[in-house]
Parts: sequence; structure tokens; C-alpha cells
Amino acid sequence: AQTVTQSQPEMSVQEAETVTLSCTYDTSESDYYLFWYKQPPSRQMILVIRQEAYKQQNATENRFSVNFQKAAKSFSLKISDSQLGDAAMYFCAYEETSYDKVIFGPGTSLSVIP
Amino acid sequence: KAGVTQTPRYLIKTRGQQVTLSCSPISGHRSVSWYQQTPGQGLQFLFEYFSETQRNKGNFPGRFSGRQFSNSRSEMNVSTLELGDSALYLCASSLEGGTDGYTFGSGTRLTVV
Repeated sequence: AQTVTQSQPEMSVQEAETVTLSCTYDTSESDYYLFWYKQPPSRQMILVIRQEAYKQQNATENRFSVNFQKAAKSFSLKISDSQLGDAAMYFCAYEETSYDKVIFGPGTSLSVIP
Repeated sequence: KAGVTQTPRYLIKTRGQQVTLSCSPISGHRSVSWYQQTPGQGLQFLFEYFSETQRNKGNFPGRFSGRQFSNSRSEMNVSTLELGDSALYLCASSLEGGTDGYTFGSGTRLTVV
């Protein structure tokens, strides 16, 4: 069964600094999608970034970028120039193209220190 | 455009009762997925509907059921409520399925007493 692991339950970063959140996953498939979702204290989950496994290029969305290492089954999220509004729970997620179920990791709680 | 709307926002029910939660997806989205979120288990997949058909179901007992209407609105029902059903229930909509990325609702906080 596919699993998603986030080994850092909690992390903190100074405002304006850079932080990297880790994610690994287990799959025997070659074609799939990976995501990072953000859930602020207000609780509405927001899609941060999406990566298609067959694309070599790492996805980027403004201050958010990923380091996708397919062979290592690793998908880390880098947040540059951290802002107070980045404080949230971050979930790494995986979906196969042949399924319609997204599997979420346990989450990493990110605190931003002013 | 309007986001994903979940109603009600909060519910308090007694053990043994049943509850129905509602989700209206973004206009044009045909896929609706439901997740249960608890501090101990995280986000667990309940089921996914596409064009009124259930395409996938998670490992939950038969007390959990759902349906989708022709306008893509979805409901989930939990019968014979147990204390362990207390959770945040999240609805997520997407165009074709989660591969294009979900848009989530704010959730329904269910408390079973």
C-alpha cells in the first residue's frame, strides 16, 4: 500500500529565512502526482504546489518550491523568505493516476518566529 | 467564483443518532471527495464521487455512506454514531479527480457525546 511519511512533526523558522519540509513516499508505480497542502489555524486546506512524477523539472510557485527526487521517493518543500502567514500545518500528499484517492502524510506543524 | 461550501460548520450529536453532512463543490467540478481528520489518525479518505458514481471508498465501516446528486452536490451520512466518530469532516472538490489538486471546504466539526 502507498504510504506518505513526514518525519518532522514540528518545525520553526525565523521570519524572512528559508525552511525545508521533508516528505518521503512509498510506491511501486512510475506515474503519479505529489502535492503539498497547507492548513492554517482557520483550518481551510489550501493547495500549495503540485508535481507530476513524469516531469523532471521541480515545480515552483512564488516563494514555494519542491525538490523532487523520484529515485529516492523524496518530495521536500522549500519555503523562501518565510512570512508570518506561512505558519500552518503542511501536508504532503500522493495520488496515482489510476486511483481517485489522495493519500496524506501526517503533517508538519510550521511556526514562524517574528 | 464561490468556493466549496460545507454545511453545517458545527454539529453536536448523541451516540446512536445519525447525521448528514452536505458539500457543494465549485461550479464545474464533478469530483467530490470526503475525508475524516482527527488528531490521532490524521486525514483519512472516506470516499470519492464522480458524476453521481462512487469511484473509490476508504476503509470505514458501512455506517459511513454518501451520495452525489446530478448537480454534483454531495452528502455523507453516518448512522449509529459512536464517540470515535468525533472529527473534522472535510469535503474536497476537483475537476476530474484529485490529480488536478483539491479545493477544500472549511469542514464540518462533528462532536459525538
